[in-house]
Amino acid sequence: AQSVTQPDIHITVSEGASLELRCNYSYGATPYLFWYVQSPGQGLQLLLKYFSGDTLVQGIKGFEAEFKRSQSSFNLRKPSVHWSDAAEYFCAAGILTGGGNKLTFGTGTQLKVEL
Amino acid sequence: DAGVTQSPTHLIKTRGQQVTLRCSPKSGHDTVSWYQQALGQGPQFIFQYYEEEERQRGNFPDRFSGHQFPNYSSELNVNALLLGDSALYLCASSLVGKGTDTQYFGPGTRLTVL
Repeated sequence: AQSVTQPDIHITVSEGASLELRCNYSYGATPYLFWYVQSPGQGLQLLLKYFSGDTLVQGIKGFEAEFKRSQSSFNLRKPSVHWSDAAEYFCAAGILTGGGNKLTFGTGTQLKVEL
Repeated sequence: DAGVTQSPTHLIKTRGQQVTLRCSPKSGHDTVSWYQQALGQGPQFIFQYYEEEERQRGNFPDRFSGHQFPNYSSELNVNALLLGDSALYLCASSLVGKGTDTQYFGPGTRLTVL
């Protein structure tokens, strides 16, 4: 069965510190991969996406993610976290087929930023 | 460029009632997907509509149904509401045939079933 795993439910970092959020996927083929961010009571905002090519993907708000096929991982990173980055982060995967492209989401990682 | 819009923002219903949620896709998009996000969980795929037909469906009972209109907007209907249907319902739109079909999400409708 297709699945996405985010091992860390909660992460706390100090403002200015670096950040890495983990994501692992289990699919029959290499899926398309996404990171979304959700502020309380809000919808999902797309941070970045990977389809093919360069395995290091740049996104908005200074985020980047690296696709590692050998580890089935797509970890999100940011060199210096800002207080406004506090939110919930979701990793998602999908397979593009003629019959649809549903996304499978992880359970999310709640990021807290200490000032 | 208008993004994905959803209405209403919040809704309170009682068990056994029926509810209709609405979604307008991002300008230029032709595909609408619906997701259910329970508290503390990631979104779960309900179904996807393209060319006014259900294209793909997740593991949700027949109480969940939908519709897509010629202008690409969509409705999600839930019959015989259960307490467990309380959740944030997210709509996402995308454009078929672009090779990536990136989904962009609306702000969601918060449904509370009492």
